[in-house]
Amino acid sequence: EAGVTQSPTHLIKTRGQQATLRCSPISGHTSVYWYQQALGLGLQFLLWYDEGEERNRGNFPPRFSGRQFPNYSSELNVNALELEDSALYLCASRLYYREQFFGPGTRLTVL
Amino acid sequence: GESVGLHLPTLSVQEGDNSIINCAYSNSASDYFIWYKQESGKGPQFIIDIRSNMDKRQGQRVTVLLNKTVKHLSLQIAATQPGDSAVYFCAENTGNQFYFGTGTSLTVIP
Repeated sequence: EAGVTQSPTHLIKTRGQQATLRCSPISGHTSVYWYQQALGLGLQFLLWYDEGEERNRGNFPPRFSGRQFPNYSSELNVNALELEDSALYLCASRLYYREQFFGPGTRLTVL
Repeated sequence: GESVGLHLPTLSVQEGDNSIINCAYSNSASDYFIWYKQESGKGPQFIIDIRSNMDKRQGQRVTVLLNKTVKHLSLQIAATQPGDSAVYFCAENTGNQFYFGTGTSLTVIP
């Protein structure tokens, strides 16, 4: 069974640009979580999608947004990129009240 | 908000010894806890979980202990191997929300 996949692996943008990150959950999982992992910091919760709806968001500005598609895959968009947005962005999927399974992450670098 | 902390940011152990990684959590309502392992350049990998109605759970070479009285969680790795070198996170779950600590970096000395 395929795990959580994310694309692209690496993404380099300049300040002010927009970035789009993608995530495909494990087949059958309806919940997708997005996290930001900056260097030396723990995982910071960004967004949670379930059944196509945004269910909760973390303490991030509105320029961090996303959506979940009917096939439960998800997209994270970051507008007006800032240097401090450089981080590893992790996606995790979950089935009901079970553990989260993480993807390999997208390394976003903002120059 | 919740906070999940790790007592030691780094831990070095000799190959073959046992490792113990500790974690404190703050929300007494958290009812589900997970340990993850993250190797360099990879996403976190599930190791073992425990629900709040249990005190101990064992897996292959790993044991998780939960002390709800002092809100403390620990991960024990038996016969630590070089492949165990990684950053270990604990996570607490309240409802549909997960909270992670910064992690403990485990280095296994051959």
